[in-house]
Amino acid sequence: RKEVEQDPGPFNVPEGATVAFNCTYSNSASQSFFWYRQDCRKEPKLLMSVYSSGNEDGRFTAQLNRASQYISLLIRDSKLSDSATYLCVVGAGGYNKLIFGAGTRLAVHP
Amino acid sequence: GAVVSQHPSWVICKSGTSVKIECRSLDFQATTMFWYRQFPKQSLMLMATSNEGSKATYEQGVEKDKFLINHASLTLSTLTVTSAHPEDSSFYICSAQDTGTGSYEQYFGPGTRLTVT
Repeated sequence: RKEVEQDPGPFNVPEGATVAFNCTYSNSASQSFFWYRQDCRKEPKLLMSVYSSGNEDGRFTAQLNRASQYISLLIRDSKLSDSATYLCVVGAGGYNKLIFGAGTRLAVHP
Repeated sequence: GAVVSQHPSWVICKSGTSVKIECRSLDFQATTMFWYRQFPKQSLMLMATSNEGSKATYEQGVEKDKFLINHASLTLSTLTVTSAHPEDSSFYICSAQDTGTGSYEQYFGPGTRLTVT
């Protein structure tokens, strides 16, 4: 089983749509969780950290369910500029290493 | 703030030669830096954790004698790919943790695209 699993997509959605990405992780000792965004042939950029209480940043909402070891990202009112690969990232419990999921591709079309 | 640079951004080298990639934290100190490799359509794979003033910690399956890491200062880590072969062609990305914040957040460099011919 992979340490961090994501649906690879691609998700093809029209502008204005709401899209949700899911992610599961295997290490129950993990303490830090993030969503990164990666554009083609570029480095990953931090989108948002994920907190136990859930958190929102504009059109983006992240949720964490520790019992189910499940993380989600909701994007509302999709924009063309949201097209990218979204990476679910989990801290390797106790250590400062990050484990990356393979990413979910999102393509927003007019 | 929290800017990480990498040099070079791309490099083409001949098989058997060595290539050095630099990773610098520009506006913060980084006791710990990380080196990743990403093949096309795959996720980032951690190669090694670079600790200032000590030996790097390599992930399983990564040859430490082939991928030499030096972290001589709080703002610079280097990765040298020795005796490069075509299968080493990849996107190499470094990241750094801000020592001052104590956060696990990693700031990524823009990556180095290596092509070995």
